[in-house]
Amino acid sequence: AQSVTQPDIHITVSEGASLELRCNYSYGATPYLFWYVQSPGQGLQLLLKYFSGDTLVQGIKGFEAEFKRSQSSFNLRKPSVHWSDAAEYFCAVGNTGGFKTIFGAGTRLFVKA
Amino acid sequence: SQTIHQWPATLVQPVGSPLSLECTVEGTSNPNLYWYRQAAGRGLQLLFYSVGIGQISSEVPQNLSASRPQDRQFILSSKKLLLSDSGFYLCAGEGARGTGELFFGEGSRLTVL
Repeated sequence: AQSVTQPDIHITVSEGASLELRCNYSYGATPYLFWYVQSPGQGLQLLLKYFSGDTLVQGIKGFEAEFKRSQSSFNLRKPSVHWSDAAEYFCAVGNTGGFKTIFGAGTRLFVKA
Repeated sequence: SQTIHQWPATLVQPVGSPLSLECTVEGTSNPNLYWYRQAAGRGLQLLFYSVGIGQISSEVPQNLSASRPQDRQFILSSKKLLLSDSGFYLCAGEGARGTGELFFGEGSRLTVL
């Protein structure tokens, strides 16, 4: 069955430090991959997506993610974190058939001064 | 661009009372629509999805129901709320059919007392 794993429930980084959020998926074919961000009490906003082509994709707010087929991973990165990046981040897999997008459990990012 | 409107944003209801959460979509026609629930500190649980008017699929047995009376309207209902129905409800639409890329509303916070 398809699944998405975000191994880190929460991560704390210092402002200005680099960030990497991990995401692993289980799916037989090449999936469509997404990262979303959710601020407290808000809906989810799409950060970036991968459908095909270049495996390094750029998103909004300075985020990027790299699709690694051999590792079934789609990790999210940012070279320098800002305090406003504190939020919850969700990795998701689409195009799995059955009209459903599968979400990971989320990683909450805390940013310390 | 595609936009989801949800209301009400916040709702406090007594146990046993009815519920109606509404979702409307702008900027697209005949979208796949979804209702998700987030319990506090947890990921997204898919409740219902709809591929067209009058077509509803339920993902989990529960006290809730959904309806799609018009192409761009999706309603989440209950006849009698339970305490366990408390949570954050998100309506989403699929940006391009078959991709799994979703755009979300701002959410509705339901507290059942």
